[in-house]
Amino acid sequence: GENVEQHPSTLSVQEGDSAVIKCTYSDSASNYFPWYKQELGKRPQLIIDIRSNVGEKKDQRIAVTLNKTAKHFSLHITETQPEDSAVYFCAETMDSSYKLIFGSGTRLLVRP
Amino acid sequence: NAGVTQTPKFQVLKTGQSMTLQCAQDMNHNSMYWYRQDPGMGLRLIYYSASEGTTDKGEVPNGYNVSRLNKREFSLRLESAAPSQTSVYFCASKKIQNTGELFFGEGSRLTVL
Repeated sequence: GENVEQHPSTLSVQEGDSAVIKCTYSDSASNYFPWYKQELGKRPQLIIDIRSNVGEKKDQRIAVTLNKTAKHFSLHITETQPEDSAVYFCAETMDSSYKLIFGSGTRLLVRP
Repeated sequence: NAGVTQTPKFQVLKTGQSMTLQCAQDMNHNSMYWYRQDPGMGLRLIYYSASEGTTDKGEVPNGYNVSRLNKREFSLRLESAAPSQTSVYFCASKKIQNTGELFFGEGSRLTVL
């Protein structure tokens, strides 16, 4: 799969609210979906990932859900804090592939 | 461990000049990657090297060449720089195929005038 669409491009939420970012992919063979966070001026870093054999994965305030039928996956951040402000990238790849293709990114702003 | 190290961090070129971005990792990773990041366009894969001795094109390879010098080092060369190549370039590496965390360098900001 070499096409992943990410929405929205920007997202502004009040501190304490939830934020949801959605990505869609085109190739049904894709089976690994990571999310990366990039703070201003820094390098992207992995925050959570999911494989296609599970529908949801949680890690404290962040979770990722996967809908294989609809070919989309989402990042959920609950109880947002100002330090969650960053650009978030989804990505996808598949077995036998070394390529990791990223979405266009979502700039999240958490207002205090 | 330094992780993934890129040099230079900043570079200004004139159109038509050439330059090489250097990348080295000390994590004994097999796969290495070069991405470019432009506003609103995310991270786009330029070239990658699945293992020492192999290189393959990514999404946007035109205007670039790469060399996997050894397991640690993966360089990106611009033979004749163009203003459209103004971008932030990230080198990255990971240990295994498909899954596994991609570790990024700090980035190299290139401006082509």
